[in-house]
Amino acid sequence: DIQMTQSPSSLSASVGDRVTVTCRASQYISFYLNWYQQKPGKAPKLLIYGASSLQSGVPSRFSGSGSGTDFTLTISSLQPEDFATYHCQQTYFNVWTFGQGTRVEIK
Amino acid sequence: QVQLVESGGGVVQPGRSLRLSCAASGFSFSTYTMHWVRQAPGKGLEWLALIWYDGSKEYYADSVKGRFTISRDISKNTLYLEMNSLRAEDTAVYFCARGGTVTHSALDYWGQGTLVTVSS
Repeated sequence: DIQMTQSPSSLSASVGDRVTVTCRASQYISFYLNWYQQKPGKAPKLLIYGASSLQSGVPSRFSGSGSGTDFTLTISSLQPEDFATYHCQQTYFNVWTFGQGTRVEIK
Repeated sequence: QVQLVESGGGVVQPGRSLRLSCAASGFSFSTYTMHWVRQAPGKGLEWLALIWYDGSKEYYADSVKGRFTISRDISKNTLYLEMNSLRAEDTAVYFCARGGTVTHSALDYWGQGTLVTVSS
């Protein structure tokens, strides 16, 4: 199976900061990479699909980039409601996998 | 609006079985792939299984292959996960999620989750 590795595992940032989370696939996955946001006790929410397409209703401060094996989620200006855990997911093969998650905390 | 509501979770002894259900509404259930994902306490998300829109194909994570079975009843707009030979490490919140009309599509709607605790 394809392994997805996110970095960092956690980070501390302030409101207004630019935040970047990376995700690396153990094999080529083209652009079949999605990003989700999850808050405690809640179901995940789709943010980015196809590596760089913004899901409807998601603020434009979120963006995604990358292809092949290396991908990035960027929050251009962190807002209070963005403190959460972010998960990447590959859907290249029929057996999907998630990264281990990145927790974004308040500095 | 799209709604997914899981049920069937609870406490079960190791080695026993449990069936989870996910009632879908607000969309054409028969045209979307459907998935199960779980999250152990304090851990990340683990994708478990997907089933094609017509139920003709199923795929599983290695961790559950041969023990878990995903299925769907289009007449009832319901997704199922049959879990056999349960282990302590299967303790988790189980989510159902909607995929797309093509296999690679992301999971755009999720249920609220149902907790399964495997313990003697």
